[in-house]
Amino acid sequence: GENVEQHPSTLSVQEGDSAVIKCTYSDSASNYFPWYKQELGKGPQLIIDIRSNVGEKKDQRIAVTLNKTAKHFSLHITETQPEDSAVYFCAAKNTGFQKLVFGTGTRLLVSP
Amino acid sequence: GAVVSQHPSRVICKSGTSVKIECRSLDFQATTMFWYRQFPKQSLMLMATSNEGSKATYEQGVEKDKFLINHASLTLSTLTVTSAHPEDSSFYICSARFLQGFGTEAFFGQGTRLTVV
Repeated sequence: GENVEQHPSTLSVQEGDSAVIKCTYSDSASNYFPWYKQELGKGPQLIIDIRSNVGEKKDQRIAVTLNKTAKHFSLHITETQPEDSAVYFCAAKNTGFQKLVFGTGTRLLVSP
Repeated sequence: GAVVSQHPSRVICKSGTSVKIECRSLDFQATTMFWYRQFPKQSLMLMATSNEGSKATYEQGVEKDKFLINHASLTLSTLTVTSAHPEDSSFYICSARFLQGFGTEAFFGQGTRLTVV
């Protein structure tokens, strides 16, 4: 089955800096890769996703890149703000299966 | 994005009692709903997948008689923790997936913090 690894587990940056979180997956048949932001005591919120037919997707300060050959994808946050502080989860899915497989999460702390 | 409402957000119950958690998709029809459990500082652990009108599919190691799931309509799924014990205390989260379109996006509820005393 699919296995998703996520790094780093914690990431501290200064406000205004960029943050990058990386994930690797094992199943080459996976074709959908969402990223979720989870604030303390709340459910995960979908912030961006990418499908395997594209290599990059951007939404304002957030971007995701996908390298299918290497089987890894990354979340890029530019001009970080304190409100970006949260736990971020990557996930992978094969349309042949119903469930998402999650990474272990990255705790991002943005200091003012 | 689509809205998934989960209720209650917090519940405290006595050991031995049962607790029901509701998950509703408010502005879309969900063919599939998922139930997760999350321990502190850990990732989401899938408990079961629920398809409307059929029995839920449980992940290995999850007791189906203890965690009863009902998905009676395209907008509502419920998780009942039966005969709860302190070790069942956890953060439970549901998610729902669109009926139409690509049908891949999953949206999550706010989560339910269950404390069994």
